[in-house]
Amino acid sequence: GAVVSQHPSRVICKSGTSVKIECRSLDFQATTMFWYRQFPKQSLMLMATSNEGSKATYEQGVEKDKFLINHASLTLSTLTVTSAHPEDSSFYICSARGDRGRGSEKLFFGSGTQLSVL
Amino acid sequence: KNEVEQSPQNLTAQEGEFITINCSYSVGISALHWLQQHPGGGIVSLFMLSSGKKKHGRLIATINIQEKHSSLHITASHPRDSAVYICAVNRVQFYFGTGTSLTVIP
Repeated sequence: GAVVSQHPSRVICKSGTSVKIECRSLDFQATTMFWYRQFPKQSLMLMATSNEGSKATYEQGVEKDKFLINHASLTLSTLTVTSAHPEDSSFYICSARGDRGRGSEKLFFGSGTQLSVL
Repeated sequence: KNEVEQSPQNLTAQEGEFITINCSYSVGISALHWLQQHPGGGIVSLFMLSSGKKKHGRLIATINIQEKHSSLHITASHPRDSAVYICAVNRVQFYFGTGTSLTVIP
């Protein structure tokens, strides 16, 4: 089946630094990728939707200058948390939707990145 | 081997039917999530469960921790319920099912 690789799986950084999270579709072309965030003991929250070659669409309340999303190719999207602060500590997950015919309506998920900002 | 298995993979129902989607998992979890993905691609979190049962409108989700099984029920199904339903579990890492594609025919 389709595989989405997300890394790093865990990152610890100092406050004020920037962190990049990568999401790769390994065996299909991901025309659309989604980025989610999960706070402890809460459900997933959609942050933004990115389409290859165009600017990401951010959900209300998500700072686009804070969370930079790049979807420069059909197999890679990146989320950069800029000038990270402790309140950015969270679990970030990507998902990808591809053009694999019958399965293209489904999402495939990365395994997530646990970000801890000290 | 998938840590989360959903069944059925595809489901077609007539409007008004009662629908059940099942999810079984093999890892220890702190929570189980039911997600809904509409044809436009957006994902909505329907439920987050750690025990028992939750109800929201026509949707009911149950979980049996001992049996490592959860069900999502839709009562009085409607064409607007047509979507992909995804089961996900997490302790630290997330594991996702591959989804159940539901089509409700008027």
